[in-house]
Amino acid sequence: SQQGEEDPQALSIQEGENATMNCSYKTSINNLQWYRQNSGRGLVHLILIRSNEREKHSGRLRVTLDTSKKSSSLLITASRAADTASYFCATTGGSNYKLTFGKGTLLTVNP
Amino acid sequence: AAGVIQSPRHLIKEKRETATLKCYPIPRHDTVYWYQQGPGQDPQFLISFYEKMQSDKGSIPDRFSAQQFSDYHSELNMSSLELGDSALYFCASSFRARAGAWMGTQYFGPGTRLLVL
Repeated sequence: SQQGEEDPQALSIQEGENATMNCSYKTSINNLQWYRQNSGRGLVHLILIRSNEREKHSGRLRVTLDTSKKSSSLLITASRAADTASYFCATTGGSNYKLTFGKGTLLTVNP
Repeated sequence: AAGVIQSPRHLIKEKRETATLKCYPIPRHDTVYWYQQGPGQDPQFLISFYEKMQSDKGSIPDRFSAQQFSDYHSELNMSSLELGDSALYFCASSFRARAGAWMGTQYFGPGTRLLVL
């Protein structure tokens, strides 16, 4: 079964605006990670947040985690055309280290 | 910095043929993961190896097998290929045994795009 579900599935914004993507998951986790994928290319790790953390920042990225609601959000501030990509959340849980991915959000930043 | 290397980058095969995908993890990483991403889909975990032993298994068909060698590189062997095997295959690596490090961050290779005709 799919662990993470991204919301929205697609998001189109103008350059300079903020983009918020949400992710929900079903079972307990060790951590939650966000990855970016440019069209048909490799997955680039953006940020990891542990289950005992509530918020994390990295440059223009801000991630929040609410374990009581089993959800996370990724905020990209001051977006750029180069941020256009698909964004996936992925979780690890229990004693295994495999990543379980959500469906992804396709972000389009228009110049 | 060295990244995960995958070869080949593109592969075209006929139905019922076999294919071998190779993965070279980041130096000193002890864990390798394989994922399959179908068109427009999210990546799905196939199998992983830790210190050359299989550590976890996901939705990997019986027609597929994989192993990790003494130099830590890994190979995914795919036999009796079907049209539905057409996908992007990613290898990722991580350093699981590192004490005190955040766990779970996997570094992905560029992928092998397999097309089965």
